[in-house]
Amino acid sequence: DTGVSQDPRHKITKRGQNVTFRCDPISEHNRLYWYRQTLGQGPEFLTYFQNEAQLEKSRLLSDRFSAERPKGSFSTLEIQRTEQGDSAMYLCASSPPGTTTDTQYFGPGTRLTVL
Amino acid sequence: AQKVTQAQTEISVVEKEDVTLDCVYETRDTTYYLFWYKQPPSGELVFLIRRNSFDEQNEISGRYSWNFQKSTSSFNFTITASQVVDSAVYFCAFKRGGSYIPTFGRGTSLIVHP
Repeated sequence: DTGVSQDPRHKITKRGQNVTFRCDPISEHNRLYWYRQTLGQGPEFLTYFQNEAQLEKSRLLSDRFSAERPKGSFSTLEIQRTEQGDSAMYLCASSPPGTTTDTQYFGPGTRLTVL
Repeated sequence: AQKVTQAQTEISVVEKEDVTLDCVYETRDTTYYLFWYKQPPSGELVFLIRRNSFDEQNEISGRYSWNFQKSTSSFNFTITASQVVDSAVYFCAFKRGGSYIPTFGRGTSLIVHP
């Protein structure tokens, strides 16, 4: 299967701990996106990479959040000093090279629970 | 700013009924794109359709059909003869021309009872 993969699928952590999530996009997709989805809401944009460059960041991405895509392939999203409000589903999506018309394809998400 | 409204929070139907999910958007852009995604209980958003603002033709794909009307800023989704497997949360999304970032509605949870 060549879809977007995310790891881990579930993460339970205690408040104040750091967590890191990984996303592997579809092969040859040069654009990668991170979203956060809370219960009863649609996905909210966090950040966007084109190749290894982080081109856009949402105001939702506080200084406790950092994302990287060092080689333009997989990406990591780290949350430092987690808070209960960080509990959510973190979704990754990718899209191929091309214009802004391209559709994003989503991974299964990482569900974070902060106790 | 763009806005996407899915006024129906939850819809419950019995199998084989037809059901329409509403999506209304607000924008001043002339070039934009509209999407529908399905999110089953497993959590992964599945792309269903994309339309651009210059193409108001309705589209049919099997039991699924979409009605795009710029006059009412709506992009509604109809499932004909619903099935239990259609049970999911459905999201409508809007993207401005020139942007890579879509704005999602809050979703409509569809429950199809056998």
